[in-house]
Amino acid sequence: GESVGLHLPTLSVQEGDNSIINCAYSNSASDYFIWYKQESGKGPQFIIDIRSNMDKRQGQRVTVLLNKTVKHLSLQIAATQPGDSAVYFCAENSAGNKLTFGGGTRVLVKP
Amino acid sequence: KAGVTQTPRYLIKTRGQQVTLSCSPISGHRSVSWYQQTPGQGLQFLFEYFSETQRNKGNFPGRFSGRQFSNSRSEMNVSTLELGDSALYLCASSRATGSETQYFGPGTRLLVL
Repeated sequence: GESVGLHLPTLSVQEGDNSIINCAYSNSASDYFIWYKQESGKGPQFIIDIRSNMDKRQGQRVTVLLNKTVKHLSLQIAATQPGDSAVYFCAENSAGNKLTFGGGTRVLVKP
Repeated sequence: KAGVTQTPRYLIKTRGQQVTLSCSPISGHRSVSWYQQTPGQGLQFLFEYFSETQRNKGNFPGRFSGRQFSNSRSEMNVSTLELGDSALYLCASSRATGSETQYFGPGTRLLVL
């Protein structure tokens, strides 16, 4: 989950379609994973989380999948809306409350 | 319930100065963590405080320090500012330490000239 530079990967999606954002994490000892959404000028906003004893968790329009074998996390957004346009970060918690963030994915929703 | 608040929201300093940023956690939350966000390095963990004690520390120089008060409010200080310290500094609070959900404040935007 090391960060990347200025050029965030971008997912362009049509309004109403489903979005899938992927994330690879680095520490096999991580036991807690969180997805955050960050809009311009704001702090990261909690979306959904999952603990390492689960492989799937659903929220309102969002689903997180965890594959510990390949250290992969994904966020699915159903029926993507214009308000979903933002940068999405995955984060892994490995010690105390120390979060290690991925580099982020920018989601652009086309009307 | 009010969210995490951070003051000030924006700050301009010059190289060599020092700065103190403040964070008030969500009511009832006792853990406060600090993160630095830059375009080049992304979001990086600075340190975590719980019950007025530093519990975890990231890979930042000693110029970065913090503390937590008995009411769980936290401050972070950066001494001898460098241009590279320009960043968005984010504070997050959680009920306790140890794999707890962290909720972020809006951040303090620091510009070092």
